[in-house]
Amino acid sequence: DQQVKQNSPSLSVQEGRISILNCDYTNSMFDYFLWYKKYPAEGPTFLISISSIKDKNEDGRFTVFLNKSAKHLSLHIVPSQPGDSAVYFCAASALRSGGSNYKLTFGKGTLLTVNP
Amino acid sequence: KAGVTQTPRYLIKTRGQQVTLSCSPISGHRSVSWYQQTPGQGLQFLFEYFSETQRNKGNFPGRFSGRQFSNSRSEMNVSTLELGDSALYLCASSVGSGSGETQYFGPGTRLLVL
Repeated sequence: DQQVKQNSPSLSVQEGRISILNCDYTNSMFDYFLWYKKYPAEGPTFLISISSIKDKNEDGRFTVFLNKSAKHLSLHIVPSQPGDSAVYFCAASALRSGGSNYKLTFGKGTLLTVNP
Repeated sequence: KAGVTQTPRYLIKTRGQQVTLSCSPISGHRSVSWYQQTPGQGLQFLFEYFSETQRNKGNFPGRFSGRQFSNSRSEMNVSTLELGDSALYLCASSVGSGSGETQYFGPGTRLLVL
């Protein structure tokens, strides 16, 4: 049972345009969400996070939106740059429900390619 | 600050052997989590240690075990290796104090079981 789903295995965008990566979850206990970026032969790099008490969080070119009723979150990258080309993972944890902030459940990732 | 370091980076073992992987967290971080990444299953949580105690555990067989030392360094051991244990093993560290924390990952150890 996949509790965090990234339904698009890949996404290709032009440099300067917006990249939108999507993530759906099924566990209503999840209350903290993160996005990581991963290059080949490296570990995931933290990008941005959002708590379930918010519906939006921005950090520079990266914005994460959370729609709790739809159990959906998205990562917007504006403007996209060739260096953003990587695999993006969505992750979730359930802290306040008695779970743990340290047990992340990951989606399977979306390969983003930004073309010059 | 130095990041999370993992040794070795690459490892080849044969079925039935055992292996120990090491992880040094970011200075000041007391929580260390381990994940397995495979093409089929993606990133899956193995366990988390805090103050030398296993605090959380994923759904892996008992062949997978770990420990944490007083300096927060952690080791993961896999006994009686199977072909399916071939994977990238990632460790992540965080401060360990509670809510809203971010885990920072090391580069991983790539294990190949022949």
